[in-house]
Amino acid sequence: AQTVTQSQPEMSVQEAETVTLSCTYDTSESDYYLFWYKQPPSRQMILVIRQEAYKQQNATENRFSVNFQKAAKSFSLKISDSQLGDAAMYFCARQGIGSEKLVFGKGMKLTVNP
Amino acid sequence: EAEVAQSPRYKITEKSQAVAFWCDPISGHATLYWYRQILGQGPELLVQFQDESVVDDSQLPKDRFSAERLKGVDSTLKIQPAELGDSAMYLCASSLTDSNYEQYFGPGTRLTVT
Repeated sequence: AQTVTQSQPEMSVQEAETVTLSCTYDTSESDYYLFWYKQPPSRQMILVIRQEAYKQQNATENRFSVNFQKAAKSFSLKISDSQLGDAAMYFCARQGIGSEKLVFGKGMKLTVNP
Repeated sequence: EAEVAQSPRYKITEKSQAVAFWCDPISGHATLYWYRQILGQGPELLVQFQDESVVDDSQLPKDRFSAERLKGVDSTLKIQPAELGDSAMYLCASSLTDSNYEQYFGPGTRLTVT
């Protein structure tokens, strides 16, 4: 089975500081997509950032950036200048090329302390 | 901003009863997904539609679950009979196509089976 692993179930960060969420995955494919999704309490899941495996350059979206290590099958998310609104469950996910389904990790709960 | 609509938001039912969930995707989105998210875990795909056709239902427990998208727009997911283990969040998502376009998630239906 092609799995996605988030080994840290919970993390906390002080407001305005930086935090890194880790994710590893298993795949036999050379090309695929990786995602980080955010699920705030009682609100819908939204896409934070996406990375195409064929691109060497790490994706960035404002305060969010990734460290994609293809050989190590590692895909971590860095949140800079953490804000209270960043508190949520964060899910790492992988998708193969074409119509393959999203495979999610178990998620990680991020708490932001004021 | 267009959103994926789901109803009801919460449902409590007794085991052996029938229950149905409804999803209205973003207008123009051809692909519709139903996920089940057990507490403390990431979402798992139950069924994927491309227009009105089922693309992937390999993880759908077909002895008790059914899904339809008759006109290729909104969709219904049914469970009959419900079991205690079906208690979970049921998420609907949609995307423009199935070719790795971003999936937009609805708020989900929280099902509790007693």
